[in-house]
Amino acid sequence: EAGVAQSPRYKIIEKRQSVAFWCNPISGHATLYWYQQILGQGPKLLIQFQNNGVVDDSQLPKDRFSAERLKGVDSTLKIQPAKLEDSAVYLCASSPGSRERWGNQPQHFGDGTRLSIL
Amino acid sequence: AQSVTQLGSHVSVSEGALVLLRCNYSSSVPPYLFWYVQYPNQGLQLLLKYTTGATLVKGINGFEAEFKKSETSFHLTKPSAHMSDAAEYFCAVKPPGGYQKVTFGTGTKLQVIP
Repeated sequence: EAGVAQSPRYKIIEKRQSVAFWCNPISGHATLYWYQQILGQGPKLLIQFQNNGVVDDSQLPKDRFSAERLKGVDSTLKIQPAKLEDSAVYLCASSPGSRERWGNQPQHFGDGTRLSIL
Repeated sequence: AQSVTQLGSHVSVSEGALVLLRCNYSSSVPPYLFWYVQYPNQGLQLLLKYTTGATLVKGINGFEAEFKKSETSFHLTKPSAHMSDAAEYFCAVKPPGGYQKVTFGTGTKLQVIP
């Protein structure tokens, strides 16, 4: 089974520029997550999709971050404009996430995109 | 609200020695608990999980963890450390049911000394 694919692996931009990340989850996985992992910290959930609907975006800085999951498959996360504090690894994860079997299913993670803001 | 505390941001053990990584959680309901491992420049990989049933959970690579409700702990152990175990380990907690969020600890970096 192919894993969660993310691109690009690395991105360097200057502050105030915009950037976008792409994620392709495991085939058939209904739930998709975007996490921000700052150096030395655990992953922090930014947004969670169930199919193409948003389940939780309470920690997404909506003034600069946006995410979409068209057709309930691929997803993109955008930052515009970027700030220095956005330097982090952005992880995408997916899980099967059916309503009947919710909660005990682990997440499958991609290798992440390392973002550096100059 | 739920939270996870991992004691010790860095742990060093000798090759062949016991590995013990500590995790304590706070949750208003009996949670699901997970341990993940992260190798450099990679995403997180599930080691093991506790949902219900047997409190001693065995995972991959010889790791196991025991859910102790009275101590609100879910410590990760391995009897004999291997060089390939050097990585960062994250404990995570999730309330059961519904669209509940996973909360990760801050991680423990394991160093294995030859």
